[in-house]
Amino acid sequence: QVHLQQWGAGLLKPSETLSLTCAVYDGSFSGYYWIWIRQPPGKGLEWIGEINDSGSTSYNPSLKSRATISVDTSKSQFSLKLSSVTAADTAVYFCARVYTNAFDIWGQGTEITVSS
Amino acid sequence: SSELTQDPAVSVALGQTVRITCQGDSLRRYYASWYQQKPGQAPILVIYNKNSRPSGVPDRFSGSSSGNTASLTITGAQAEDEADYYCASRGSTGYNLRLFGGGTKLAVL
Repeated sequence: QVHLQQWGAGLLKPSETLSLTCAVYDGSFSGYYWIWIRQPPGKGLEWIGEINDSGSTSYNPSLKSRATISVDTSKSQFSLKLSSVTAADTAVYFCARVYTNAFDIWGQGTEITVSS
Repeated sequence: SSELTQDPAVSVALGQTVRITCQGDSLRRYYASWYQQKPGQAPILVIYNKNSRPSGVPDRFSGSSSGNTASLTITGAQAEDEADYYCASRGSTGYNLRLFGGGTKLAVL
């Protein structure tokens, strides 16, 4: 059964760079898109961006080019970096797998707090 | 419009049927997927490709679509169905964009 395990630093100061990694276990990494989604406290879900095993990416324009998603196929991992964070980036961040335009497998979520 | 609109809250009596809707221009072209999220948990996919259910999702969950509206129907709602439900789809302004609805909080009374 495919599962995703994600990790990263949970407390950041304004202007720092958020860094998260998501590892794929017990399943194929190739042939899928892999996605990052976030959820501010008490709010809904927001698409951040996605990548496939070839490194092709798409991003939410609202992030104004602060997001960078990369892939390491040798480790079946993909990563998110979000630069110049502010309090507005405080959220739970999820990684997930894209399957026929839906997100069928999710990571456990990582709570990120941006505070001075 | 590049948005997906959901009613913020819906309630249903135990055992009755409830429909949760999602409206947006992109739904005229792309299927919606639906996610159930309980407090403190990651979302779970319940419907994709308009009306396909992943393994393990009860068959009381079904999906449909007409025009710019996608619907998630729960037939015979159970107490454990109380959760937030989100729709998602592609954006109408570009295939490489994805949107989520604002979410619907379902109360099972």
